[in-house]
Amino acid sequence: GAVVSQHPSWVICKSGTSVKIECRSLDFQATTMFWYRQFPKQSLMLMATSNEGSKATYEQGVEKDKFLINHASLTLSTLTVTSAHPEDSSFYICSAGIVTWAEYFGPGTRLTVL
Amino acid sequence: QQQVKQSPQSLIVQKGGISIINCAYENTAFDYFPWYQQFPGKGPALLIAIRPDVSEKKEGRFTISFNKSAKQFSLHIMDSQPGDSATYFCAATAGTASKLTFGTGTRLQVTL
Repeated sequence: GAVVSQHPSWVICKSGTSVKIECRSLDFQATTMFWYRQFPKQSLMLMATSNEGSKATYEQGVEKDKFLINHASLTLSTLTVTSAHPEDSSFYICSAGIVTWAEYFGPGTRLTVL
Repeated sequence: QQQVKQSPQSLIVQKGGISIINCAYENTAFDYFPWYQQFPGKGPALLIAIRPDVSEKKEGRFTISFNKSAKQFSLHIMDSQPGDSATYFCAATAGTASKLTFGTGTRLQVTL
């Protein structure tokens, strides 16, 4: 079946550095991917909608200059957390689909900022 | 109006019992209602989904009941097993190409 992968699965970085997270659709093309953030024991919060070949659409309250999204191909979207701080520590998850855009979620990336 | 309210927050069920999780929504434009299962440290996985033109959908031990007039839908897990212990999220979207609105999640524990 269709799979969405993420890389890395976990990352630890120092405060002030930037971290890039990749989301790939492995056997289908995804013109749209979604990026979510999830804090411990909480629900998923949509951060942005990533559109292939165009600018991402960010949810209210999400800093577009801090969370850079690039959807350069039909199988790859990247989320870059720039100048990361401890409060950016979270579980980041992407999703994509074929019939709907809600079908497949990636395994998530655990970001810890020291 | 965009909220999806989910209850209970946590649920403990004995093995073999029925787990029931409820969700309610306000936005009448919602037309697709998926349920997701999430294990600790993993991404959510689509479990089952329903559209408002049917009142019930069953896949194996998992059943969604949908009440359009009450704007409520629920997940029933029959013959609950310890392996079902996970967090369950309901969600809703208006159009398959639209973003999801998630419920707050229910942490299910199935005891032996």
